[in-house]
Amino acid sequence: NAGVTQTPKFQVLKTGQSMTLQCAQDMNHEYMSWYRQDPGMGLRLIHYSVGAGITDQGEVPNGYNVSRSTTEDFPLRLLSAAPSQTSVYFCASRTGDLYGYTFGSGTRLTVV
Amino acid sequence: DAKTTQPPSMDCAEGRAANLPCNHSTISGNEYVYWYRQIHSQGPQYIIHGLKNNETNEMASLIITEDRKSSTLILPHATLRDTAVYYCIVRGPFGYNQGGKLIFGQGTELSVKP
Repeated sequence: NAGVTQTPKFQVLKTGQSMTLQCAQDMNHEYMSWYRQDPGMGLRLIHYSVGAGITDQGEVPNGYNVSRSTTEDFPLRLLSAAPSQTSVYFCASRTGDLYGYTFGSGTRLTVV
Repeated sequence: DAKTTQPPSMDCAEGRAANLPCNHSTISGNEYVYWYRQIHSQGPQYIIHGLKNNETNEMASLIITEDRKSSTLILPHATLRDTAVYYCIVRGPFGYNQGGKLIFGQGTELSVKP
């Protein structure tokens, strides 16, 4: 049981490049979310999913796409990276409506 | 979701109880209070949650006032490893189009000192 696995752990992109941040969980959790955290700030919700095939926008969705084709995976796509997307990205999952989220260890992304 | 207010920082002596307050005066009847913490550079960690009764688990206790407008997270014997940012979050309503959301505020930075 690995929990929530995020890859890569570190990434440097050039402005305009695209990439996908991977998130996988092996706990059969229904709910998954993506957050970003900028220096000195709290976490902001990007997108979330309440089950396979169902996604919705969070607080800061612009510039990011998600899909949820399986229960296990919830990739986050940056279509055209911008320096403003330099951040630490966390993926999280949980089961049931009242349970707490389990977070991954994060992906540290720098866009130059 | 109801807005929460937490002090930006607190200190606690190692071995003593750490009491972290949270105000949520606009909480609705069906909203729960959740606590998470984030140790430096790590992903947040779920601690505890409650509706109106006091709750306790192996990590902490949660005391919610009778009017539910405030709560306190208690770490009974703080250690240096409890140094972290603690987030109080109020969540609801539920249903598939809302149940995914967990909105973080600024939290309280707790420093446990020897």
